[in-house]
Amino acid sequence: DIQMTQSPSTLSASAGDRVIISCRASQSISDWLAWYQQKPGKVPKLLIYKASTLKDGVPSRFSGSGSGTEFTLTISSLQPDDFATYYCQQYYTYSYSFGQGTKLEIK
Amino acid sequence: QVQLVESGGGLAKPGGSLRLSCAASGFSFSEYYMTWIRQAPNKGLEWLSYIGETGTITYYSDSVKGRFTVSRDNHRNLLYLQMDALRVDDTAMYYCAAKEAGAGAEPVDYWGQGTLVTVSS
Repeated sequence: DIQMTQSPSTLSASAGDRVIISCRASQSISDWLAWYQQKPGKVPKLLIYKASTLKDGVPSRFSGSGSGTEFTLTISSLQPDDFATYYCQQYYTYSYSFGQGTKLEIK
Repeated sequence: QVQLVESGGGLAKPGGSLRLSCAASGFSFSEYYMTWIRQAPNKGLEWLSYIGETGTITYYSDSVKGRFTVSRDNHRNLLYLQMDALRVDDTAMYYCAAKEAGAGAEPVDYWGQGTLVTVSS
């Protein structure tokens, strides 16, 4: 199975900051990677798919990049609503494995 | 409107069984492949299983292979997860998710709200 590793596990930042979350796959997944945002008690929300395609309705401050085994999620200017946990997910194979998550906290 | 409603969660003893259901409405269920995903309390997301549109193709994570069985009834728009030999670490919120086959590059189109499974003696 493909293992997904995110870093960092926790990220402290302030509103207005630019933040980058990384995700590494244990083997090449081309660009079959998605990013989700999850808030406590809520269902995960798809932000980005195909590594860099923004889901309709997602603010443009979110962007994704990468291919193969290395991927990043960038939030260009943090807004108060962005403090949440973020997950990457590969869907190159049918074991749609997730990263362990990155909790974005208010500094 | 589109709905995925999970049910069947609750308290089970270690070694016991539960069957989860996911009722789909508002879309053509038979044209969607389905997945089960779970999230242990204060932990991350874990993909569990996949079932193709007709139900003939299934995949499982190593953590549940041989213990859980996914199935579907396209006439009744229902997805199931039969959970046997339950362990304490199966305690989690269980979500079903749907993706239209061959349409779009997103990994999922719809999520359910989840059903909570607690395994404890």
